[in-house]
Amino acid sequence: AQKITQTQPGMFVQEKEAVTLDCTYDTSDPSYGLFWYKQPSSGEMIFLIYQGSYDQQNATEGRYSLNFQKARKSANLVISASQLGDSAMYFCAMREGGGNQFYFGTGTSLTVIP
Amino acid sequence: ETGVTQTPRHLVMGMTNKKSLKCEQHLGHNAMYWYKQSAKKPLELMFVYNFKEQTENNSVPSRFSPECPNSSHLFLHLHTLQPEDSALYLCASSQAGTGLNYGYTFGSGTRLTVV
Repeated sequence: AQKITQTQPGMFVQEKEAVTLDCTYDTSDPSYGLFWYKQPSSGEMIFLIYQGSYDQQNATEGRYSLNFQKARKSANLVISASQLGDSAMYFCAMREGGGNQFYFGTGTSLTVIP
Repeated sequence: ETGVTQTPRHLVMGMTNKKSLKCEQHLGHNAMYWYKQSAKKPLELMFVYNFKEQTENNSVPSRFSPECPNSSHLFLHLHTLQPEDSALYLCASSQAGTGLNYGYTFGSGTRLTVV
């Protein structure tokens, strides 16, 4: 079974609007971390935001926030006030307790329209 | 500049060639990784090195051969590749044995085309 599922291959958003990128995960480990990475066309993977399984509050980093629904095993990324520079691939990833390996989803391509 | 440098950025090679990809980090991390990224597929973990020792080889064909001479450098030696090996190869590093909130730092990748 897939550890990380991203069901939106492509998304479009108007500049200055908010957009939500979906991510669901599968683990039986009570201890895990969830990450979002941005990959522009240059190829580099840029860390955006982290949410721990025991964190009580949703993580926020500037215009990025993570909508963590633990019972639903979802960790959606919300980007507020979209900018043209936000156009990129976005990957959700999970790290389980005790391990170094990351599990990545297939990614969502976001296009911001002027 | 992320702290993880990969060279070359682009590589075109014939199926009979031998080439090497290089990854270098000066972040003081003790774990390094090679990932393969093909279109419309999840990132595939290829190799993991912890403290210079290979700890994982995810059923990667022998035409890919990793080398980790020290904790700052990682190589991927390529020989007799197939066209389906064309992909973006990403190197990452991390501090193994730390808390869950420690993520990977990635390089910019090498875009490999096998002709």
